[in-house]
This record gives sequence, C-alpha cells and structure tokens, in this order.
Amino acid sequence: NAGVTQTPKFQVLKTGQSMTLQCAQDMNHEYMSWYRQDPGMGLRLIHYSVGAGITDQGEVPNGYNVSRSTTEDFPLRLLSAAPSQTSVYFCASSRGQNQDTQYFGPGTRLTVL
Amino acid sequence: DAKTTQPPSMDCAEGRAANLPCNHSTISGNEYVYWYRQIHSQGPQYIIHGLKNNETNEMASLIITEDRKSSTLILPHATLRDTAVYYCIVRVSMIYNQGGKLIFGQGTELSVKP
Repeated sequence: NAGVTQTPKFQVLKTGQSMTLQCAQDMNHEYMSWYRQDPGMGLRLIHYSVGAGITDQGEVPNGYNVSRSTTEDFPLRLLSAAPSQTSVYFCASSRGQNQDTQYFGPGTRLTVL
Repeated sequence: DAKTTQPPSMDCAEGRAANLPCNHSTISGNEYVYWYRQIHSQGPQYIIHGLKNNETNEMASLIITEDRKSSTLILPHATLRDTAVYYCIVRVSMIYNQGGKLIFGQGTELSVKP
C-alpha cells in the first residue's frame, strides 16, 4: 500500500490564482480530511468527508472547496489564492470506525505571493 | 473534546526512557486519549491510544491515571529518530466526531540528544 499520497509537494502561487491539491489513499478508507498547519500552530481542520459523495466543513473552510466523487480521492481546491493561505496542507484518512486512527499524507507546502 | 496541557519542550538522552506527560482534567467518560507525533516537515504519525487501561505497542506505552485526568507517554529507549513534536489529543469515538476531527494543541517538542 502507498498509504496516503499528496501532490504536489511544493507549490508557489500568485494572489488570485486557483489550483487543486490532490490527495489519494489506497486503503479503502471511508473518512478523509484536509488540515492546514501554520508555523507554531497545531493542525486545523478545513473540510472532511465521511464517504463518497458526502463532504462537510471543518474549522477553517473559507476559500476552499472539496468534492469526493470516489472513495480514493479527495481533492482540495483553492478558488482564488490569498497570502493568508500560505501554509502546509495535510490530507488524512481513516476507516471511520470506533477508536479509529488517522493516517496522514506527507503534506503540500503552499506559498501564495 | 476536552482540552489538554503539555509541556512545550523536553530533552532526553539517547537510550533512556522518554516520559511525556499530558493533563486532561476535563476528560469525559467516553473520550479516548490519543498520542500522535510529527517529525519535522512530515505528516503526523499515530503512536498509541487508550481509554482507561494502560496500553503498550511496539512504539510506546501509555499510562493513564486512575481518575483519567492525566496520562504519560513512555518511549522506552529513545533514539535520535524520536526527536519530534508529540501531541496528546482527547476525543470521543469516531462515530460522534465530525470526520474524525483531531484537535491538535501545541504539543511537546522532544529533543533526543546523543
């Protein structure tokens, strides 16, 4: 198993540009989530999905869209990038069962100029 | 989810046990204690979790006090590769938790020194 994969690893955008961060998992996990991590802070939940076709907002959803058309993929879209979205983005997945644990991807480091 | 308190940093000599404390005095009866760690620039990694009994796996041991208001993560023989930020997280079971949301605090930065 490759686990949770994220692409790209690094990205630089200009203010106002849009892009999609990719996340995929090959463990047949139902739950998938996107977090962002800013310097000196813990991870904050952006959006999550409890299964294909079902998504919901986390703590900091503004400026981001998600969709979940398949179990494997959970892309995160930045509609119009802003410098405040400069961060490290982590995708995570889990089976969604009681006492479950989450598996995190390696992260995407995004800089918005 | 209950709030946790951890020391911001700790040092440990290589080969010795690292004992990382966590206070969670407002923990509820249905909340589990989870530990994750984040090695520099990598995604968080699950270590161990428990409800009320002590737990051990290949990575670490988790000691939870009888009143469940605090816990200690023990890395029995710390190596340089254990240098990381360790997060203690308290949360309800997945089925009541929005998407398995994890609330990460500041964690403890553990430095293992030769």
